[in-house]
Amino acid sequence: DAGVIQSPRHEVTEMGQEVTLRCKPISGHNSLFWYRQTMMRGLELLIYFNNNVPIDDSGMPEDRFSAKMPNASFSTLKIQPSEPRDSAVYFCATRGGSYNSPLHFGNGTRLTVT
Amino acid sequence: GESVGLHLPTLSVQEGDNSIINCAYSNSASDYFIWYKQESGKGPQFIIDIRSNMDKRQGQRVTVLLNKTVKHLSLQIAATQPGDSAVYFCAENQGGSEKLVFGKGTKLTVNP
Repeated sequence: DAGVIQSPRHEVTEMGQEVTLRCKPISGHNSLFWYRQTMMRGLELLIYFNNNVPIDDSGMPEDRFSAKMPNASFSTLKIQPSEPRDSAVYFCATRGGSYNSPLHFGNGTRLTVT
Repeated sequence: GESVGLHLPTLSVQEGDNSIINCAYSNSASDYFIWYKQESGKGPQFIIDIRSNMDKRQGQRVTVLLNKTVKHLSLQIAATQPGDSAVYFCAENQGGSEKLVFGKGTKLTVNP
């Protein structure tokens, strides 16, 4: 199993630019979560999907952030326009079982906005 | 100005010693708990989990203890090795929901 695949691994962009982060879940996993990790706030849940449907986006910081899951094998997190305070590591995680089962994380995208 | 970040608790042990990492969780309705290990440049990696109907669960070299009375979780690592050096996070399913909420983490350093 290839695990959760995220791309790119690193992204450096200028303030105001659009950023798109990508995630390919583990095949057969029906829940997908986007987290953000910073030194200030630790690991924060941004949004999660069940069966490609967004369930809870209460963690999305602002309207500049949006996430989609057009099919079971792909999800994107978009920031438009990006700001320096968005700099963080963004993780995608998926789960194949019930809610009482572990999430499997990708290796993240390190975003730097200058 | 000075930035204020998370001050991770740290634990430093000698190779071969046992390690105990502690975590206090927040929601008494949470009924599923997980420990993750995160190495530099990688995503959190699942170690062991426990449901609230148990108070102890053992894996390979690891044991998780759950005390629901005081909302406390601990991870014990036996015969700690240099490869165990990482940041360890506890997580709870917030109030029994699908959402997994993470603690602040503890940095474990194993000295050879």
